[in-house]
Amino acid sequence: KQEVTQIPAALSVPEGENLVLNCSFTDSAIYNLQWFRQDPGKGLTSLLLIQSSQREQTSGRLNASLDKSSGRSTLYIAASQPGDSATYLCAVRWGVSDKLIFGTGTRLQVFP
Amino acid sequence: KAGVTQTPRYLIKTRGQQVTLSCSPISGHRSVSWYQQTPGQGLQFLFEYFSETQRNKGNFPGRFSGRQFSNSRSEMNVSTLELGDSALYLCASSSQTSAYNEQFFGPGTRLTVL
Repeated sequence: KQEVTQIPAALSVPEGENLVLNCSFTDSAIYNLQWFRQDPGKGLTSLLLIQSSQREQTSGRLNASLDKSSGRSTLYIAASQPGDSATYLCAVRWGVSDKLIFGTGTRLQVFP
Repeated sequence: KAGVTQTPRYLIKTRGQQVTLSCSPISGHRSVSWYQQTPGQGLQFLFEYFSETQRNKGNFPGRFSGRQFSNSRSEMNVSTLELGDSALYLCASSSQTSAYNEQFFGPGTRLTVL
């Protein structure tokens, strides 16, 4: 069965810390993996997409890595800020269709 | 370029009623997917439409249905509403023209069933 797991479920850190959020998935035959951010009661904002052939992607203070063989992806957030407070979701696409399977998310709080 | 839009944003219905939600994808995007988000089950895939054809369907009862129009706009319908259908319903679109195929989500429709 294709499943996605995220650890930790919640994280509270002081401003300025570097963070690592983890995502693991069963079945290494993925098509791509996408990281999203969700603010309370809002839709999802796409942060980074990694194709199955890629090892990492970077956007500003965010860096996502992918290790298909171990079924893991990490989202690295550098120099965290209070505005980074949100839930971060990892989603995996295993086929040609657009169906995404989501992890349960990591709820991040960055305090001043 | 405008993002994915969903209407209405909020909806309150009573058990037994039916509801229709609408999604307009990003201009040029031909693929639309729907998801249900609840505190207990997280985000779950409902169905996907491409060029007016349902291409994939999640594990939901037949009360949940959808369609896509020739302009790529999509609607989903839930009949005979149950309390457990209360959720945030999210729509996503993608261009489906490249392997990159990033998906973009709308703000969602918050459905409350009383």
